[in-house]
Order: sequence, then C-alpha cells, then structure tokens
Amino acid sequence: SQQGEEDPQALSIQEGENATMNCSYKTSINNLQWYRQNSGRGLVHLILIRSNEREKHSGRLRVTLDTSKKSSSLLITASRAADTASYFCATDKGAGRRALTFGSGTRLQVQP
Amino acid sequence: DARVTQTPRHKVTEMGQEVTMRCQPILGHNTVFWYRQTMMQGLELLAYFRNRAPLDDSGMPKDRFSAEMPDATLATLKIQPSEPRDSAVYFCASGLVVAAGGFEQYFGPGTRLTVT
Repeated sequence: SQQGEEDPQALSIQEGENATMNCSYKTSINNLQWYRQNSGRGLVHLILIRSNEREKHSGRLRVTLDTSKKSSSLLITASRAADTASYFCATDKGAGRRALTFGSGTRLQVQP
Repeated sequence: DARVTQTPRHKVTEMGQEVTMRCQPILGHNTVFWYRQTMMQGLELLAYFRNRAPLDDSGMPKDRFSAEMPDATLATLKIQPSEPRDSAVYFCASGLVVAAGGFEQYFGPGTRLTVT
C-alpha cells in the first residue's frame, strides 16, 4: 500500500462548509505536504509542514501533523465551489531519498 | 511566472510504437521527477534526477522505459515499444529544496498518453 493514505476517498459538501481530509502514513518523515489537483491538470503545492511542527495555516487552509499517530489533516474553511479538486498528501522521508511519496487522494466536491 | 512545461499534451499511438515525452523544468531547479497517474494505481514515481544524474529509476519498467536529461533544460521519457497498459497521464515535476531540507515539487500539466 502507499505511504500516504487519504481518508475519505471522496467528500461532497455545500459551499461555505468546512472540509476535512485526513492522511495516514507508515514510516518516519522529514515533512509532509499537501497538493491539489484540478481535473485534467498537474498537481499544485499547497502547504508543507515539517516533522517538528504540529499545525500550520495558509489562508483558508489549516494543516495539522501528529507524528506519534503518523497522521495529518487538511482543513479547508468556508469552502467555495472553486475548491472542488482532488487533494493529495505527500511524504518526504528526508535524506537519501529526495522524492515524495503520494497518497491516493481525496476527491472533494463543493456544491454551490 | 516560471512553470514546468511538457510536450506533447496529448498523444495517441498504436501498440508497438515509440513514444517520447519531453519536459522543461523550471530554471534553477536541480531535481526532476517523472510520475505516472492512472485511476487504478494513482500517482507512481517512475524516475528522478538530481543535477541531471539519475538517482532512482526503480519505479520504471526498464525493459521498455528510459529516462534521460541530455541537458539542464530538457528531460525525456521514452517508451519503446509502447503497450496499451502504458496508457496514463505522465507528469514531470521539478524540485526545489526549501529550508531545513524540505522539498517542494512543481508539476507540469502532464502528457495524456493513449496506446491503442
């Protein structure tokens, strides 16, 4: 199975509601990143949280990291129809293997 | 606005034909990645380069796939011969090391390959 596993696989909410997506991973990491992918497009980097950080904010995004549980969550507040996309977590194991391992993604649908 | 470019954006070919996909990484990025995305397998790392040298291509079927960086502005991914199971979207990404060793990747728009 993949290093990062997102949960849920799909999420449908109304505009204005908050959306929470979770990611679990198996091995130690240097940092964890969240990416967004609109249909038919490449992935876009959203936010990076280091292993010694517990929470990070960027605009309407809030990311938490619990290294003891090997899990992270992405919260999008006051969602908009334009937030409709797939969201992926990616783990960076640090020195040696400088490539990210991506999860299977959460498909978010925000209904206007 | 620097971005990763990929060509072609779409490719339809017949089984057995050679396919070459090209990527121009962001100027100054020293690491380039190739990924393949399918509905079934998700996003898979095929290969990555640092300073044009291949660091890891363990995710790539070596009998038919090859990846090169002839210079710092061009990365190529070739499939020869192509098979229907190679149908996927192939993404190139270039990487930038951030503070404390973190690593961000910037993705190209992808090449959608269909092998019939």
